[in-house]
Amino acid sequence: DAKTTQPTSMDCAEGRAANLPCNHSTISGNEYVYWYRQIHSQGPQYIIHGLKNNETNEMASLIITEDRKSSTLILPHATLRDTAVYYCIARGTGTASKLTFGTGTRLQVTL
Amino acid sequence: GAVVSQHPSWVICKSGTSVKIECRSLDFQATTMFWYRQFPKQSLMLMATSNEGSKATYEQGVEKDKFLINHASLTLSTLTVTSAHPEDSSFYICSARGGASGDPWGYEQYFGPGTRLTVT
Repeated sequence: DAKTTQPTSMDCAEGRAANLPCNHSTISGNEYVYWYRQIHSQGPQYIIHGLKNNETNEMASLIITEDRKSSTLILPHATLRDTAVYYCIARGTGTASKLTFGTGTRLQVTL
Repeated sequence: GAVVSQHPSWVICKSGTSVKIECRSLDFQATTMFWYRQFPKQSLMLMATSNEGSKATYEQGVEKDKFLINHASLTLSTLTVTSAHPEDSSFYICSARGGASGDPWGYEQYFGPGTRLTVT
């Protein structure tokens, strides 16, 4: 699976949009981009995933560039409860695929 | 839906003893389960992958005789840390995945809440 690169940390004011970038320049055509987050001392929580089209669900939006080499996770109205480590992962399909976690981005939402 | 539970949520044991951690998929059948370990301020590291009824596949550097994994049913996997030592103290997280796409929960991995192991 392709390696991803994320900033180590970011801050966001409560109520504002949080835009978390991810680079995956070596992603292959059949690899999806997944986003998970981990709140302190809990298991990771699935947020969203996509292949090449932009995706939106009740938690977030995922914007993938046309060349698929990077993506941005958008939390439209960040709250204090969104403070967590956010992981961007490229994962292929098939029975052998698995989620491999990098270092992620620590998002701190402040008042 | 797609709930994964772990038991216990935390455990303290003495050095040299063995500890068993259970991982259950509550509302779907998990054909594949994954075990991760996370040390403080670090990311999750995959330890092993198990398919129901088969032997687990361990990642490089993970001792299979120390971390025994059993995946005897489609809803239960266990991780036993044998002869635990203080350096095994960590946060252990399991993840479960259903069958092929088209299943109710598709092909996604769902994570349990984690088990914090402290070896004294």
